[in-house]
Amino acid sequence: GAVVSQHPSRVICKSGTSVKIECRSLDFQATTMFWYRQFPKQSLMLMATSNEGSKATYEQGVEKDKFLINHASLTLSTLTVTSAHPEDSSFYICSAMDRDTMNTEAFFGQGTRLTVV
Amino acid sequence: AQSVTQLGSHVSVSEGALVLLRCNYSSSVPPYLFWYVQYPNQGLQLLLKYTTGATLVKGINGFEAEFKKSETSFHLTKPSAHMSDAAEYFCAVSGNYGQNFVFGPGTRLSVLP
Repeated sequence: GAVVSQHPSRVICKSGTSVKIECRSLDFQATTMFWYRQFPKQSLMLMATSNEGSKATYEQGVEKDKFLINHASLTLSTLTVTSAHPEDSSFYICSAMDRDTMNTEAFFGQGTRLTVV
Repeated sequence: AQSVTQLGSHVSVSEGALVLLRCNYSSSVPPYLFWYVQYPNQGLQLLLKYTTGATLVKGINGFEAEFKKSETSFHLTKPSAHMSDAAEYFCAVSGNYGQNFVFGPGTRLSVLP
């Protein structure tokens, strides 16, 4: 099956620094990738939709200058949390749509646990 | 707009008992429906999906779900629970081509020995 690799799986950073999270589709090409945030014991909240070669589309309430998304190739999207603060601590998950299966299924990465201290 | 509700944030069953996790959706277009499972500190794994065709969908690990348009439901079942089934389960709905992919709030399944 299709595999999405997300790295790092865990990261601890100091308040005020920036953190980059990578999401790679390993065996398929993804024209669209999604970034989600999940708070403890809650569901996934869509943050933004990333389309290869164009600007990301952010959901209402998500600061685009704080959560920078780059989707420079068909297999890689990155999320950079800039000037991180403790309230940004969360579980971030990416997913990718396989363009060859007519986008009926999203494949998920393993998630990144971000802790800002 | 699309939305998903999952009745019961926490369901407990005994090992060997029937598992029933409920999911209802609303959608203005013919929906694609999914069930995902999430183990602690991990991403989501697809259990099964409905796009078109047969309304009874079989997935991995012995799970199945039935799409009932008249009831706008897509409940997940498994005849006999196993300890390894303990996890968080999410129902999700999307329109064509992954548009408006929306997750339900999730149901935590506990399996008692």
